[in-house]
Amino acid sequence: SYVLTQPPSVSVAPGKTARITCGGNNIGSKSVHWYQQKPGQAPVLVIYYDSDRPSGIPERFSGSNSGNTATLTISRVEAGDEADYYCQVWDSSSDHPGVVFGGGTKLTVL
Amino acid sequence: EVQLVQSGAEVKKPGESLKISCKGSGYSFTSYWIGWVRQMPGKGLEWMGIIYPGDSDTRYSPSFQGQVTISADKSISTAYLQWSSLKASDTAMYYCARQLYGGSSSYYDYWGQGTLVTVSS
Repeated sequence: SYVLTQPPSVSVAPGKTARITCGGNNIGSKSVHWYQQKPGQAPVLVIYYDSDRPSGIPERFSGSNSGNTATLTISRVEAGDEADYYCQVWDSSSDHPGVVFGGGTKLTVL
Repeated sequence: EVQLVQSGAEVKKPGESLKISCKGSGYSFTSYWIGWVRQMPGKGLEWMGIIYPGDSDTRYSPSFQGQVTISADKSISTAYLQWSSLKASDTAMYYCARQLYGGSSSYYDYWGQGTLVTVSS
């Protein structure tokens, strides 16, 4: 089955740029979606189809995807961005197509 | 406004059965897949399976096939996740979410608030 690899943690100072990676075999050929989950809350979609933002998500959130790595970029990081972030793809290549999540990355705002 | 409202927290004993629910509103419930996602304490998101309420077509992750049953009652816009015999390892938060398909991909745009299931003797 398809595997998505994320760093367990990323730290960034307020006002700086955070980059959270999601690695997978030829992930650039798939569409990647990103979710933000704050403690005690349900996940929220922040990026879909690699780089599209749902309404209500700040422009500070952006995404890219190429080769074996997809990246969620958060510009001008704020304290309120501290959360767990998950990447997700739809794996249609296996005998059992389905949703695949990365292991998640905890973003700490210093 | 699209909403998915899940049933309340449950505390059960090993071996007991359980059915939790997810009621959709604000959209055509029969036109979108509903997925279920498990999150064990302090862990990440795990995909369990999906159902299309329009015709009850259901797909399971191999990791959960045979362990749970996903169903839906379109007459009341509600999806269900059930266990016939709970184990302590089923202790987790369970989320339902609306799944969108487009081209060759799929993602979740709306999520329920989660149902905490605790299994303990």
